[in-house]
Amino acid sequence: SQQGEEDPQALSIQEGENATMNCSYKTSINNLQWYRQNSGRGLVHLILIRSNEREKHSGRLRVTLDTSKKSSSLLITASRAADTASYFCATDARAGANSKLTFGKGITLSVRP
Amino acid sequence: DTEVTQTPKHLVMGMTNKKSLKCEQHMGHRAMYWYKQKAKKPPELMFVYSYEKLSINESVPSRFSPECPNSSLLNLHLHALQPEDSALYLCASSQRGILNTGELFFGEGSRLTVL
Repeated sequence: SQQGEEDPQALSIQEGENATMNCSYKTSINNLQWYRQNSGRGLVHLILIRSNEREKHSGRLRVTLDTSKKSSSLLITASRAADTASYFCATDARAGANSKLTFGKGITLSVRP
Repeated sequence: DTEVTQTPKHLVMGMTNKKSLKCEQHMGHRAMYWYKQKAKKPPELMFVYSYEKLSINESVPSRFSPECPNSSLLNLHLHALQPEDSALYLCASSQRGILNTGELFFGEGSRLTVL
């Protein structure tokens, strides 16, 4: 079953604009991760934020985590046409004796040149 | 070497065939994963191996049989599949075991079509 739910489902912006994507989840997590997937390809890890962290930066990426609201946001600044892809949030949560990473439905980002 | 290599990239099989998907990583990662992804859907976890032992099986039908011959290799044996099993099968690895999943490194996937 899906843990994360991204919002919006699709986003279309002009090159140079910022893109903000949101993710909500339901249960306690160890960490939350964001991945990118180009059409028909494998997923690429973008950033991981631990449950005790509130904000993290990596290049043009900024991710925030609000565990009280069970939500996260991914901001991509100064978007480029090459950022066009599907973006997934993934939550790592305990599952019995293990933990497992569960992906949300994904957001389709289109960046117009 | 930070790659996860999957073969074959494409596979077409009939419902009575037996085939295998293969995955290899040389990053010294201790956990390896199979995910299944249908078009326009998120990846769904199938199996997780941690330290070469099967740790998670997400109630996957027995027509899918995973195997981890050593810490670098992961196979998915396919037998008597159904057309609805057609999907992109993704292999991934992570440095840690499965008590706290870190970053996953994904292969490019094997696109399976069952006729």
